[in-house]
Amino acid sequence: KNQVEQSPQSLIILEGKNCTLQCNYTVSPFSNLRWYKQDTGRGPVSLTIMTFSENTKSNGRYTATLDADTKQSSLHITASQLSDSASYICVVTPTRSNDYKLSFGAGTTVTVRA
Amino acid sequence: NAGVMQNPRHLVRRRGQEARLRCSPMKGHSHVYWYRQLPEEGLKFMVYLQKENIIDESGMPKERFSAEFPKEGPSILRIQQVVRGDSAAYFCASSPLSQGSSYEQYFGPGTRLTVT
Repeated sequence: KNQVEQSPQSLIILEGKNCTLQCNYTVSPFSNLRWYKQDTGRGPVSLTIMTFSENTKSNGRYTATLDADTKQSSLHITASQLSDSASYICVVTPTRSNDYKLSFGAGTTVTVRA
Repeated sequence: NAGVMQNPRHLVRRRGQEARLRCSPMKGHSHVYWYRQLPEEGLKFMVYLQKENIIDESGMPKERFSAEFPKEGPSILRIQQVVRGDSAAYFCASSPLSQGSSYEQYFGPGTRLTVT
């Protein structure tokens, strides 16, 4: 079973609307959680990073939240734009001993329509 | 400063042929990681290399797959005698020399391997 589960698998929203993506993880202990954006045919690019002690982190119209007690994170996209169409991936970094072995979710594919 | 570069971007091989995927890390980065992404699945760790050293290859199949990162030149992921199940996107990432709990891996655009 994957240690990082994301939902929904995909969603379609109208330009200008907001949406929220979910991430549940079982990786424990962990040092940080990142959200990546992956455009079609490209590699993932980091949007936000949060340590286990942080609750929220923003990057422009992207806001990530983290609840380390329930092992849940969310990514909120505000006032969506056509360029937000991409796959959004939740990635958890385990503790320092093997912190290069990132655990990736399967991603949520977001399609923004005009 | 160029990002992580991978080539080729697309590679088609017939069953039984060899596939060679190249990765040039970002300037100043001496740590390289290879990942495989199957359709509808997340990226899966394959191997972690530093210059002339394989640090962790626990995610790489023991047969047919090998990786290297020579002193000079790009890192190479080599797949011998490819089978249809090897069809996937292969991503390379690199990170700087220093490593800590918040260090970041920078990803290349990936190589999409199709085995016919």
